[in-house]
Amino acid sequence: QVQLQESGPGLVKPSQTLSLTCTVSGGSISSGSYYWSWIRQPAGKGLEWIGRIFTSGSTNYSPSLMSRVTISVDTSKNQFSLKLNSVTAADTAVYYCARRCTAKDAFDIWGQGTMVTVSS
Amino acid sequence: QSALTQPASVSGSPGQSITISCTGTSSDVGSYQSVSWYQHHSGKVPKLMIYEGSKRPSGVSNRFSGSKSGNTASLTISGLQAEDEADYYCCSYAGSGTFWVFGGGTKLTVL
Repeated sequence: QVQLQESGPGLVKPSQTLSLTCTVSGGSISSGSYYWSWIRQPAGKGLEWIGRIFTSGSTNYSPSLMSRVTISVDTSKNQFSLKLNSVTAADTAVYYCARRCTAKDAFDIWGQGTMVTVSS
Repeated sequence: QSALTQPASVSGSPGQSITISCTGTSSDVGSYQSVSWYQHHSGKVPKLMIYEGSKRPSGVSNRFSGSKSGNTASLTISGLQAEDEADYYCCSYAGSGTFWVFGGGTKLTVL
C-alpha cells in the first residue's frame, strides 16, 4: 500500500523559501505511470494545484505560481520536493503531496497534508 | 475564488440521496472527461471517490456515482450514512496550460 508523507518547517518568514519533502513508502516512486504533484489549501478556501513532476524530471507548474516554484525528485530516496520562494502570507496553507495516476487520470493517493504558516 | 463552483454545504438525512454540483466552463469541465471527486474527512487523507467523471475506484461504495452535463459535473450519494459526512471536492483537467483546477469544496452534513 503506497503512502505519502509530507515533511518540512511549519513556519516560514516572509520573503524566504518554503521547502517541503514528500516521502513515498510502500512502493517505488519510479514504478508505474504516475506523476507526483503538490496541492495546497489556504484556510477557508479550495484546493489549488501547484505543480507536478515525473520521475524523468519533467515538470509542469501552475501558471500563477510558475515564477516561484521548483519541484524536484530524488529517486534514490523515494522522495520529491517543493520549493516556493519569496513567500508571503498568501502562501499560508495546508500543503499536500499527491500521486497522479495516468490510468485513472486522477489523484489516487494523497498525503496527510502539512500546515505551513508564513509569518515573521 | 476557486476555478470550479460548488455549493458550500448540502445536507440530508440517513437513507436519503443528495447531489453535489460542480460547475466549470467550456475550458475545463465542458471539454474533458477528466473530472474526479474527493472525500475529505478532517484530519484524514483525502480519498478518491470518482474518476473520469463516473468511474469508481475499487473499494468505493456503489452508493457514490458521478455524471456530467455540459459544463457541470455532479456527485450523487444515495442511501446516506453518517460516515459520509465530510468535505467533497471536484477536480477537472483544464488543458495543457492550466492543467488541473479544483472546486471550493462542499461540506456534507448528515442530519
